[in-house]
Amino acid sequence: QSVLTQPPSASGTPGQRVTISCSGSSSNIGRTTVYWFQQLPGKAPKLLIYSDNQRPSGIPDRFSGSKSGTSASLAISGLQSEDEADYYCAAWDYSLNGRGVFGGGTKLTVL
Amino acid sequence: EAQMVESGGGLVKPGGSLRLSCEASGFSFSNAWLSWVRQAPGKGLDWVGRIRSNSDGGTADYAAAVKGRFTISRDDSKNTLFLLMDSLKVEDTALYYCTSGSLGGNYWGQGTLVTVSS
Repeated sequence: QSVLTQPPSASGTPGQRVTISCSGSSSNIGRTTVYWFQQLPGKAPKLLIYSDNQRPSGIPDRFSGSKSGTSASLAISGLQSEDEADYYCAAWDYSLNGRGVFGGGTKLTVL
Repeated sequence: EAQMVESGGGLVKPGGSLRLSCEASGFSFSNAWLSWVRQAPGKGLDWVGRIRSNSDGGTADYAAAVKGRFTISRDDSKNTLFLLMDSLKVEDTALYYCTSGSLGGNYWGQGTLVTVSS
């Protein structure tokens, strides 16, 4: 069972806006920043969001991140077929001498 | 263009050892904190550990599941990151990625597969 909790699946139609949630605790999300990764089928993960809401260069502004308390969200607007992928949140966890933790992942289906 | 390329994966028996390498190029390797992330077949991402830059002490942190069995090291003269895995267990079977940053950054390798089986 993952330290960060994500819904196992999400879906939307092209052009729609979808959000993926990530729930943590005061020892991780409530204390430090959140990362989001996209993993296309058969590919390595790709950094989408860092520091809760910052996009690396080259990441479209259709992707946005937010955080409130011990939860975070990834929003994808103007959904496209190529957005169909697995999405993972991640954060540092300050319990147990510190460790990196990932959410269980959310499979996004574009209908 | 930045690149990270893992090697060293393979089939190993339970209790055995394996050393993974990750050769990087195209970014400031010596200043980077680096990490290993693994993914068991059909499963999600699992943080293995990270190593600080030598200017920040060069020490490593590990996930509880691998602490005491795995060792992360780096050779900045060769832009190479290592993961030495001892006392391997069946549950260590996974695709192992090296990546920049403490949790995963802009740069990722393509992964190297480690299979632990008798």
